[in-house]
Formats: sequence, C-alpha cells, structure tokens
Amino acid sequence: NAGVTQTPKFRILKIGQSMTLQCTQDMNHNYMYWYRQDPGMGLKLIYYSVGAGITDKGEVPNGYNVSRSTTEDFPLRLELAAPSQTSVYFCASRVKTDTQYFGPGTRLTVL
Amino acid sequence: AQTVTQSQPEMSVQEAETVTLSCTYDTSENNYYLFWYKQPPSRQMILVIRQEAYKQQNATENRFSVNFQKAAKSFSLKISDSQLGDTAMYFCALLDNFNKFYFGSGTKLNVKP
Repeated sequence: NAGVTQTPKFRILKIGQSMTLQCTQDMNHNYMYWYRQDPGMGLKLIYYSVGAGITDKGEVPNGYNVSRSTTEDFPLRLELAAPSQTSVYFCASRVKTDTQYFGPGTRLTVL
Repeated sequence: AQTVTQSQPEMSVQEAETVTLSCTYDTSENNYYLFWYKQPPSRQMILVIRQEAYKQQNATENRFSVNFQKAAKSFSLKISDSQLGDTAMYFCALLDNFNKFYFGSGTKLNVKP
C-alpha cells in the first residue's frame, strides 16, 4: 500500500490564482482530513469527510473548498489565493479505530 | 469547540535521561481520544501513543508513556531513556465525538548527546 499520497510536494502561487491540492489513499478509509500547519504552529483542521459524498467544515475553512466523490480521493481547492494561505498542507485518513495516517505534506507559498 | 494547550514551546534533555512534555485540554465531552504525535525535521507526522478517555489505565508504548488525569484534563507524555532520534516537534491532539481533531501548538524537544 502507498498509504496517503499528496501532490504536488511544493507549489508557488501568485495572489489571486487558484489550484487544487490532491490527496489519495489506498487503505479504504472512510475518514479523511485536510490540515494546514503554519510555521512554528500546530495543525489546524480545514475540512474533513466521513465518507464519499459527505464533507464538513473544520476550524479554518474560509478560502477553501473540498469534494469527496470517491472513497480514495479528497481534493482541496484554493480559490483566489492570498498570502495568508502560505502554509504546509497535510492530508490524513483514518478508520474508526482512530489511528490517523498522514500524507507527506504540500508546501504552498503565495506571493 | 475543544482546545488543546501545550505550554512548553521548547525543552532539552540529555541522552538517556527522562523528560516529560505537558498537555492540557478543554472539552465538555465525556468520551474522546487523546494522542501524541511526533514530527521530525522530515515533516512527517508519526503517531507516538494514544489514550481512550474511558480507560483509566495510562497507555504505554515502549519508552513512551502517558499520565492521563481526566478530572484535571491533563495528558502528559513521558519519554524514558531519551535517544537522539527523539529530537522532534511533539504535538498533543484530541479527537472529539464529531470526528474532529484539535492539535496543540507543539513542543520542540532537543535531545543532547
């Protein structure tokens, strides 16, 4: 199993541009999460999903959108990128037994 | 909403010694889960240990153990026989009944040779 994969690993955006961060897991996990980690800080939950077709907001959803059309994929969409969205983004998945598996992260810079 | 607080931004310990990292949290729920994650410079998030709130017995995992005080809402991590490879950021996290995770701001641990 590849586990949780994220693409791209790095990206630089200009203010106002849009992009999609991809996340895929091959463990058939129902729960998936998107977090952002600002420098020197902990992770903040952006959006999460408890199954295909079901998504909900976390602590910091503004400026982001998600969709969950399949169990495997949970893309995060940034519309109109702003410098405040410069961060490292982590995707994670888990089963009901609560262990959360993380992807390697995407470092995004908005200039 | 739940909150998780780590009041020690940075700590140091000599190799082979024991160190304790502190974590307090706030929740009105009775059933929840608590976790400690390790994040080395590689940035990968690694689960260290977890604790179910309904279990009174403290979780242990090799050199890692917790002191879970439910009434005090405290969840500290003890690392015994510290090794150079333990150098990392450590995050305390809470999973609530709505399947949401809340993380603390982290403690940077330096293990000195």
